[in-house]
Amino acid sequence: EIVLTQSPDTLSLSPGERATLSCRASQSLHSTFLAWYQQKPGQAPRLLIFGASNRATGIPDRFSGSGSGTDFTLTVSRVEPEDFAVYYCQQYGNSLPYTFGQGTKLEIK
Amino acid sequence: QVELVASGGDIVQPGRSLRLSCAASGFVFSTHGMHWVRQAPGKGLEWVAVIWYDGSIQEYADSVKGRFTISRDNPSNTLSLQMTNVRVDDTAVYYCAREALGGDYFDFWAQGTVVTVSS
Repeated sequence: EIVLTQSPDTLSLSPGERATLSCRASQSLHSTFLAWYQQKPGQAPRLLIFGASNRATGIPDRFSGSGSGTDFTLTVSRVEPEDFAVYYCQQYGNSLPYTFGQGTKLEIK
Repeated sequence: QVELVASGGDIVQPGRSLRLSCAASGFVFSTHGMHWVRQAPGKGLEWVAVIWYDGSIQEYADSVKGRFTISRDNPSNTLSLQMTNVRVDDTAVYYCAREALGGDYFDFWAQGTVVTVSS
């Protein structure tokens, strides 16, 4: 099983600041098969990024993803009030099971 | 527009059975793999099961293998999860999620249905 470890567990920022979230895989992922999701309280997750760096439909360009192999990053260039949420990375296209990171909570400082 | 509506969640005693459903609309259901993902209270996301677009292949997380069965009915655009011999640690919000056509990531999610296993 591929284990994804996200850091930090909690990130405290003010609106307008830059957010950098990390996701590290226990083994190299096949062909950048990594996705990022945003989840707000009481809501289902929403796809932000797939293929490590491709924004999903309707996702603002302040969200960007990068990385390959075992190290991946989600960056929010200037955090907006609506961006405070929990973010999960997920690996796919590798051996089962599909796995998620434990999540990073982006909170208002 | 794409819509997934999960239902069937309930309070159930350990060892009993429960069936969850997910109604799909707004897209060609029969062309997408479908998944169940769960989230225990205050915890992260855990993948549960997948079924291929045509129902030919199903895969399960080890934690539910042999107890849960995923199925689909393409003519009625419905996904199901039959849960048997449920355990306290099956307590969670269960989401059905659509697999994207370009890869095994989840591009649309239902709002979720709550399963509570308690005596």
